[in-house]
Amino acid sequence: KNQVEQSPQSLIILEGKNCTLQCNYTVSPFSNLRWYKQDTGRGPVSLTIMTFSENTKSNGRYTATLDADTKQSSLHITASQLSDSASYICVVSHGGEDMRFGAGTRLTVKP
Amino acid sequence: DAGVIQSPRHEVTEMGQEVTLRCKPISGHDYLFWYRQTMMRGLELLIYFNNNVPIDDSGMPEDRFSAKMPNASFSTLKIQPSEPRDSAVYFCASQLGWDTQYFGPGTRLTVL
Repeated sequence: KNQVEQSPQSLIILEGKNCTLQCNYTVSPFSNLRWYKQDTGRGPVSLTIMTFSENTKSNGRYTATLDADTKQSSLHITASQLSDSASYICVVSHGGEDMRFGAGTRLTVKP
Repeated sequence: DAGVIQSPRHEVTEMGQEVTLRCKPISGHDYLFWYRQTMMRGLELLIYFNNNVPIDDSGMPEDRFSAKMPNASFSTLKIQPSEPRDSAVYFCASQLGWDTQYFGPGTRLTVL
């Protein structure tokens, strides 16, 4: 069983709408959690990095939350744009850079 | 800085051939990572270096894969001999300390 589960697997929303992507993990001990955005045919781009003590971190229209007690994280996208169409990958690290990857959520923003 | 540079961007080779992928990390970064991405398995960490020293190579699939980092500005990932199941996009990434990780554009490898 993957130690990092993302949901939904795919999502279609209309431009301008908000959406929330989920990441649940069982990785322990926990070091940090990262959200990446990956456009088709491109390398992943880091959106946020969160450590154990951080609950919320924003990067423009992207806001990540972390609940280390329940081992859940979410990525909220506000006022979506067509350029937000991409895969969003959650990566959880434990002990140094030992990483566990989620399968990603494929977001499509339609006009 | 030009970001993480990878070459070649595309590689098509025949089964049994040796393949060498190259990476130039961002200057000053002390960590370098090699990843593989496929539709079936998603993104996988193969190996990472800290200050040119391999730290964790547990993700390297088998002995056919090897990675080196002879200096702070260059790393290679070699597959010998290559097999069709090695077909994937291979990413290199670098970071400074525990900060943001920057990915290269990737090398799309096709083994026929």
